Amino acid sequence: DVKVTQSSRYLVKRTGEKVFLECVQDMDHENMFWYRQDPGLGLRLIYFSYDVKMKEKGDIPEGYSVSREKKERFSLILESASTNQTSMYLCASSSGSGNEQFFGPGTRLTVL
Amino acid sequence: LAKTTQPISMDSYEGQEVNITCSHNNIATNDYITWYQQFPSQGPRFIIQGYKTKVTNEVASLFIPADRKSSTLSLPRVSLSDTAMYYCLVGGEEGSSNTGKLIFGQGTTLQVKP
Repeated sequence: DVKVTQSSRYLVKRTGEKVFLECVQDMDHENMFWYRQDPGLGLRLIYFSYDVKMKEKGDIPEGYSVSREKKERFSLILESASTNQTSMYLCASSSGSGNEQFFGPGTRLTVL
Repeated sequence: LAKTTQPISMDSYEGQEVNITCSHNNIATNDYITWYQQFPSQGPRFIIQGYKTKVTNEVASLFIPADRKSSTLSLPRVSLSDTAMYYCLVGGEEGSSNTGKLIFGQGTTLQVKP
């Protein structure tokens, strides 16, 4: 059974803290994605990666960075968390262009 | 990049067929159309994907007219467990080794009543 896991379901951080969100997939997928989901705004793409050490900006990359050192792991980094980054963060992976994306359960991040 | 427009919400009753339409006027030649379902506190789950005409699987059908500027997800005989958010998605470059940027719309909240 395919699986995408995220390091935490719930996370509470303070303004200015550095935050790491980890995502791991066990399907040997080339592509991995980070989205955030906010009420009324749907899912918005932050960053995606189509290969190890490769990354591309999505629609809302400001305030975020990513790291993909290994094929199975894609990390989202908030260098200095702010309250407007309070959101649900979803990681996904896929095997190729246009193909089905498999999502993790999400991390609900609260920045105080 | 093609953006999508869906109804914000829809209501239905158990046993009815539900059709959710998505507009994507600026769809590119190589874009796929994909639909996802999402329950509260879970990540979205793939339902169906198509490029043109009609696609059917065990849970839904997807109708795409010739101009591809819209698509309709059809759920036959819905049950209470089909109450969820449904997202229409366009993007992904066919045959490319790199994934195209994918854009999720705001989604349609489907409420199925007994």
